[in-house]
Amino acid sequence: QQPVQSPQAVILREGEDAVINCSSSKALYSVHWYRQKHGEAPVFLMILLKGGEQKGHDKISASFNEKKQQSSLYLTASQLSYSGTYFCGTETAHDYKLSFGAGTTVTVRA
Amino acid sequence: NAGVTQTPKFRVLKTGQSMTLLCAQDMNHEYMYWYRQDPGMGLRLIHYSVGEGTTAKGEVPDGYNVSRLKKQNFLLGLESAAPSQTSVYFCASGRDRDTGELFFGEGSRLTVL
Repeated sequence: QQPVQSPQAVILREGEDAVINCSSSKALYSVHWYRQKHGEAPVFLMILLKGGEQKGHDKISASFNEKKQQSSLYLTASQLSYSGTYFCGTETAHDYKLSFGAGTTVTVRA
Repeated sequence: NAGVTQTPKFRVLKTGQSMTLLCAQDMNHEYMYWYRQDPGMGLRLIHYSVGEGTTAKGEVPDGYNVSRLKKQNFLLGLESAAPSQTSVYFCASGRDRDTGELFFGEGSRLTVL
């Protein structure tokens, strides 16, 4: 079952912040975040493991609420290069299926 | 280092024809995955493999078969193509579940007429 992402799309000015949410109905082992530029393959940003710490990648960070089976990706002081579609992927403890959400399209404008 | 290579990159099929997509990785990864990507639906898992000789069903396995006879290769087959299988197909590989990073191929665009 695919995780649910929100919002579907967000438009930002350079320097603004945004939050992308990801939730699952299943008990999660890990949450992954990827970014895909138009016409390209998805690229790994970070993984959050159950019991692990909040991660960061430049000015992009994420958290994982294990009790609620939710994760949030934080885009801070957005740059033009942050534009793309962001996908969260989730994995349960019982199998190795990595299921992705439908994606959140981020557009950063000058 | 080639990483993950998918062939072919483009293919047009007629309904009922069969074909095989090949995914090859040179990173000695255990895990390999096949996804399809359709507008508004994100990446949907078709089949995956956790090691040579193993395969398992993902979220949308119907109409597809896979094989992992060699560790470096993961084949996706369509026995009787249907227009609903028109999509962009991505293969990905990963070392282990805790490291997490999947490396994706460039994608294969398949059109079924």
